Amino acid sequence: GQQLNQSPQSMFIQEGEDVSMNCTSSSIFNTWLWYKQDPGEGPVLLIALYKAGELTSNGRLTAQFGITRKDSFLNISASIPSDVGIYFCAGQPQHGGATNKLIFGTGTLLAVQP
Amino acid sequence: EAQVTQNPRYLITVTGKKLTVTCSQNMNHEYMSWYRQDPGLGLRQIYYSMNVEVTDKGDVPEGYKVSRKEKRNFPLILESPSPNQTSLYFCASRPQGFLSGANVLTFGAGSRLTVL
Repeated sequence: GQQLNQSPQSMFIQEGEDVSMNCTSSSIFNTWLWYKQDPGEGPVLLIALYKAGELTSNGRLTAQFGITRKDSFLNISASIPSDVGIYFCAGQPQHGGATNKLIFGTGTLLAVQP
Repeated sequence: EAQVTQNPRYLITVTGKKLTVTCSQNMNHEYMSWYRQDPGLGLRQIYYSMNVEVTDKGDVPEGYKVSRKEKRNFPLILESPSPNQTSLYFCASRPQGFLSGANVLTFGAGSRLTVL
C-alpha cells in the first residue's frame, strides 16, 4: 500500500530545542493530519489541515499544509520532556475514492533529554 | 467520554491458537478500521468497515478476519496465528462522509500481541 515519506526517522534533542519534521508524497492530498503516539498508547490527533498553504498552531506545535499539496510540516518549539513519542503524519489523497482512506507516514521518533 | 476500547491490551499466545481482539466505539461512527504497527513500517491497514455488514481488505489482510454485526463493534480474528503476526494492533473509527473532520480517525490504546 501507499505510504508517505516522513523524515527524519528519529531525533534526539535537548530540552528547549526546536524540532521540525515533514512528510512528502508523490501525489496530491486533500487533508493532512498530524498525530502523536505516547509510549504504550494509541495515536492522538494534534493538528488537522484542510487547505493548501494553511498554517495552524496548537500550543507549541505548528503545522503547515504545503502549497503544492504534496507535503506537510510539523514544528515543535521549545521542546519539553513530555514531547517524547512517535509523531505520525497522515494524509487523504485527492483521488482516495469513497473510502476516504488515510495514508500514514512511517513515523518520527522524538527523544528529549532534560 | 468518547473513545475506542480494545481488549486485551496485551496477549501472549502460541502458533495456531485462535484469538479475537475486540474493539468497541461509543461515538456512533460508521467507519472502523484495524491497523498493525511494526518498527520502521508505520501503521498498515488490515481491514476496514464502512458500516454494518460492510467490510473490506486493507493493505495487509492475510491471516486476519473481521466482522461488523453491530455498528459499535469491530472484532479482529486471527484464526491460526503465526509468529509474523506478532505486532501492536490498533483499532480506529471515524464518521463516514466528505465533510472536513470526517476523516479524522480516533484510535484505541492498542493491543500488543506476541505469537510464540
